[in-house]
Amino acid sequence: DVKVTQSSRYLVKRTGEKVFLECVQDMDHENMFWYRQDPGLGLRLIYFSYDVKMKEKGDIPEGYSVSREKKERFSLILESASTNQTSMYLCASRGTGGDYGYTFGSGTRLTVV
Amino acid sequence: GENVEQHPSTLSVQEGDSAVIKCTYSDSASNYFPWYKQELGKRPQLIIDIRSNVGEKKDQRIAVTLNKTAKHFSLHITETQPEDSAVYFCAAASYNYGQNFVFGPGTRLSVLP
Repeated sequence: DVKVTQSSRYLVKRTGEKVFLECVQDMDHENMFWYRQDPGLGLRLIYFSYDVKMKEKGDIPEGYSVSREKKERFSLILESASTNQTSMYLCASRGTGGDYGYTFGSGTRLTVV
Repeated sequence: GENVEQHPSTLSVQEGDSAVIKCTYSDSASNYFPWYKQELGKRPQLIIDIRSNVGEKKDQRIAVTLNKTAKHFSLHITETQPEDSAVYFCAAASYNYGQNFVFGPGTRLSVLP
């Protein structure tokens, strides 16, 4: 019944490494999102995409980029990981229309050492 | 842009008591208000939502109320049970912002047996 899948549950990377976080949804949703979740700060939007090849910056895009080559897949890229990017990363998707909430993935807990 | 505040940040109640979590939003164009529950180590899941043309919505032990004039909405949980213990997030969405949600910082609810 899993509809939004994030490829890794836990990751440990070194400072300066290029990191790829993958997200795949099987609900044919147009809209996909990447959030990071930190204690006391809630969910903050990094990037989002409304369509294939399309991407828009969210509230905290610095240090991140994204790729959406196929409708079902939305990748978050940390170009050069830093310790302040240690966080829980959540992917979500949503269908078009105003009545549908997000479906979230299980999250990837990234630790940068 | 939209700003969502949420109170309290932590809430402890005795099993069987009621719990109320309140959120305020800033953009009068927001018209969809979902609530998410995130249990420890799990993904956020939609538990109830309300649209701006409705003042109240109930689903068994949970209800959401919306006051558009005051720009606030609340989650009410009655007859709380230990399995209600989780972090709860409110969110606001507006067609002005496309498909994006703006989340509150979350409330950690603990139901004490």
